[in-house]
Amino acid sequence: GDSVTQMEGPVTLSEEAFLTINCTYTATGYPSLFWYVQYPGEGLQLLLKATKADDKGSNKGFEATYRKETTSFHLEKGSVQVSDSAVYFCALSPPGSGNTPLVFGKGTRLSVIA
Amino acid sequence: DAGVIQSPRHEVTEMGQEVTLRCKPISGHNSLFWYRQTMMRGLELLIYFNNNVPIDDSGMPEDRFSAKMPNASFSTLKIQPSEPRDSAVYFCAMGAGGADTQYFGPGTRLTVL
Repeated sequence: GDSVTQMEGPVTLSEEAFLTINCTYTATGYPSLFWYVQYPGEGLQLLLKATKADDKGSNKGFEATYRKETTSFHLEKGSVQVSDSAVYFCALSPPGSGNTPLVFGKGTRLSVIA
Repeated sequence: DAGVIQSPRHEVTEMGQEVTLRCKPISGHNSLFWYRQTMMRGLELLIYFNNNVPIDDSGMPEDRFSAKMPNASFSTLKIQPSEPRDSAVYFCAMGAGGADTQYFGPGTRLTVL
């Protein structure tokens, strides 16, 4: 079945460091891909998404490019801030799925220290 | 547009008691999802509804868990009787499927003593 694999955490970085969180997926066809972020004590919220190959999603300085050839959707940010400390979830929506649930990865906890 | 509302935000109860978690969804989204999040197991889908109809409840851990969506404006997740291993954060989320965003509520933190 469809699945998402993301790098194990926790990831600890200093402020202004470069961030990469790897995400690869397994799915038939071309799913839509998402990154969600969960700040402490809150629910998940959409960070960015891409719906077709080579699309780049971006928001709040974060970017991810839909790479069909490597079935990847890695999250990057050039300069992290303490306020970026959160858990990040990669997810996919199976193609042609209609109203079916997203498939989430296990999440990667990011801690940014000043 | 108000977000997904969940109540209560925190619940502490004793083993054996009945617990009811509530979700008031955003209007205009016809799918509702109940998730559970723990440190050990991560984020797990329990059940989801389309147009108020339960579609897949295979994630519901036991018969002690039940969920209803009597109308488009309200859903409940009930645990009866509760056990300490049910302690978790329970999220309700709304979406329209496909490439649409899922909107999560703030969650209910349940502690069963």
